[in-house]
Amino acid sequence: NAGVTQTPKFRILKIGQSMTLQCTQDMNHNYMYWYRQDPGMGLKLIYYSVGAGITDKGEVPNGYNVSRSTTEDFPLRLELAAPSQTSVYFCASSYGTGSNQPQHFGDGTRLSIL
Amino acid sequence: KNQVEQSPQSLIILEGKNCTLQCNYTVSPFSNLRWYKQDTGRGPVSLTIMTFSENTKSNGRYTATLDADTKQSSLHITASQLSDSASYICVVSPEATGYSTLTFGKGTMLLVSP
Repeated sequence: NAGVTQTPKFRILKIGQSMTLQCTQDMNHNYMYWYRQDPGMGLKLIYYSVGAGITDKGEVPNGYNVSRSTTEDFPLRLELAAPSQTSVYFCASSYGTGSNQPQHFGDGTRLSIL
Repeated sequence: KNQVEQSPQSLIILEGKNCTLQCNYTVSPFSNLRWYKQDTGRGPVSLTIMTFSENTKSNGRYTATLDADTKQSSLHITASQLSDSASYICVVSPEATGYSTLTFGKGTMLLVSP
């Protein structure tokens, strides 16, 4: 069972470069999310999507963009990478948002901006 | 401001011993509280989800309790195993229609020693 798959697992970028973090899920979940996890901090929501073609900002969206053209895929785009975007990025998905609907997480992309 | 505070920050116990992790929150109104386990280098995995009306829920050797009046939750681990070494994250969902942002705690790092 693949669940939520993120690629790449690691990446080093130079300041000002751009890249796309890939996320795909095979559980036919409507909801998908992008979080960042900084050392010693709780996860922060960057963007989320409630279905194909629908996305919305989370708590920390600046410097990022997303798209949701299919149910399965939810890529995160970094434009003009900055050192403050060094973090671990997690993609998650859930069938819904009810109290019996846990979020399923991928194993993360570890990104360093130098 | 919605906040989730976890204690202790870190904990070391001997294999086979029990332990209890604490979570205090200020999220209001409250919908549900979740506990996740995050192994090093992996994404969080759901352990339990409790609604306002539930005061205990078990998942194998993991038992979560909830006191919605005092806004406190605990996660009790029985007969610890080396594989329990991980970060345990408390997550609170506010009550709302549609999607609402989860508030993540910083986690308690548990090390089970042989």
